[in-house]
Amino acid sequence: EAQVTQNPRYLITVTGKKLTVTCSQNMNHEYMSWYRQDPGLGLRQIYYSMNVEVTDKGDVPEGYKVSRKEKRNFPLILESPSPNQTSLYFCASRVLGTGNLNYGYTFGSGTRLTVV
Amino acid sequence: DQQVKQNSPSLSVQEGRISILNCDYTNSMFDYFLWYKKYPAEGPTFLISISSIKDKNEDGRFTVFLNKSAKHLSLHIVPSQPGDSAVYFCAAQRTSYGKLTFGQGTILTVHP
Repeated sequence: EAQVTQNPRYLITVTGKKLTVTCSQNMNHEYMSWYRQDPGLGLRQIYYSMNVEVTDKGDVPEGYKVSRKEKRNFPLILESPSPNQTSLYFCASRVLGTGNLNYGYTFGSGTRLTVV
Repeated sequence: DQQVKQNSPSLSVQEGRISILNCDYTNSMFDYFLWYKKYPAEGPTFLISISSIKDKNEDGRFTVFLNKSAKHLSLHIVPSQPGDSAVYFCAAQRTSYGKLTFGQGTILTVHP
């Protein structure tokens, strides 16, 4: 089954304790992205990657890092989490460059992160 | 700066009636628009899209209308069903493969 898998689904951590949220896709997609969803703000892009070893900042990159060493994996790293990073996080992937709008993005099921 | 806005946080309709979800955008460079549907504990899923060369796109019970001069689009669901109850996000792109910019979302509740 074609899918984007995120882990963990739920995470409660303390301020300053480094954490990694994993994301893996099995569709051989070039493009991967991380979004966070907050009430009243919708989904905002954190980082994206056009292919292996190619990453760039989205709209809200502060406090986050990413890496893309393999095509299928795109982990999100919080080096020193703070309470304002409490949010619902989504990883998404898509084929790069297609003109077919209907491909859209495939999203993971989300990671609910709470930083206390 | 919210470039895509969904000004109605929630909408409640009766089963069988029409649901109309609205979306406004400010960036005139957006040329492609998409609607996503999200159930609790799941990621958003693609619903329907439209490019700026069209003013209407239909897929079964779902129709998206685009008014480019007003920078406004709407999603019509007819007839509405209880299973349509979800959060609906409007999203826009400058190119067909570009970054998605999302609105805040509208919670649709369809009552039996």
